[in-house]
Amino acid sequence: RKEVEQDPGPFNVPEGATVAFNCTYSNSASQSFFWYRQDCRKEPKLLMSVYSSGNEDGRFTAQLNRASQYISLLIRDSKLSDSATYLCVVNMGYGNKLVFGAGTILRVKS
Amino acid sequence: EAQVTQNPRYLITVTGKKLTVTCSQNMNHEYMSWYRQDPGLGLRQIYYSMNVEVTDKGDVPEGYKVSRKEKRNFPLILESPSPNQTSLYFCASSYRGRGTEAFFGQGTRLTVV
Repeated sequence: RKEVEQDPGPFNVPEGATVAFNCTYSNSASQSFFWYRQDCRKEPKLLMSVYSSGNEDGRFTAQLNRASQYISLLIRDSKLSDSATYLCVVNMGYGNKLVFGAGTILRVKS
Repeated sequence: EAQVTQNPRYLITVTGKKLTVTCSQNMNHEYMSWYRQDPGLGLRQIYYSMNVEVTDKGDVPEGYKVSRKEKRNFPLILESPSPNQTSLYFCASSYRGRGTEAFFGQGTRLTVV
């Protein structure tokens, strides 16, 4: 079993749609959780951290369920510019080490 | 501008010819690491460094070496590259601590023929 698992997609959605991505992680001792965005084989960039209470940044909402070891990302009112690969990232509790999911591809179409 | 700089961005080489990919950061980060990214596998950690002269293996260290003689630099060395090391490589840096953001270099696309 992979340490961090994501649905690879692709998710093809029209502009304005709401789309949700899910991610599960295997290590219950995991400490920190993130969503990174990666454009077309460029470098990953932090989209948002994920907190236990859930957090929102504009059109993006992230949630964490520690009991189920599950993280989600909700994107509302999708824009063409949201097309990218979304990486679920978990700090497993070993110092700074980050473990990456394989990514979920989002394509927003006009 | 805060950044992580990798060089070269693209490299085609032959099997067995030693190469070095450089990585430099200007944010005074203690923690640096190297990842490779392959289709369907995500980013996998090769080596990491907690500080100067402190390095350790990640998940896929075979065939690679690193050094950390200065805080800002963390080169990746392939002593005898093989075709299975063809991949997209990223260097990353961050402050020490579990919740800190990792900053990535622009990537090095390596092809070994």
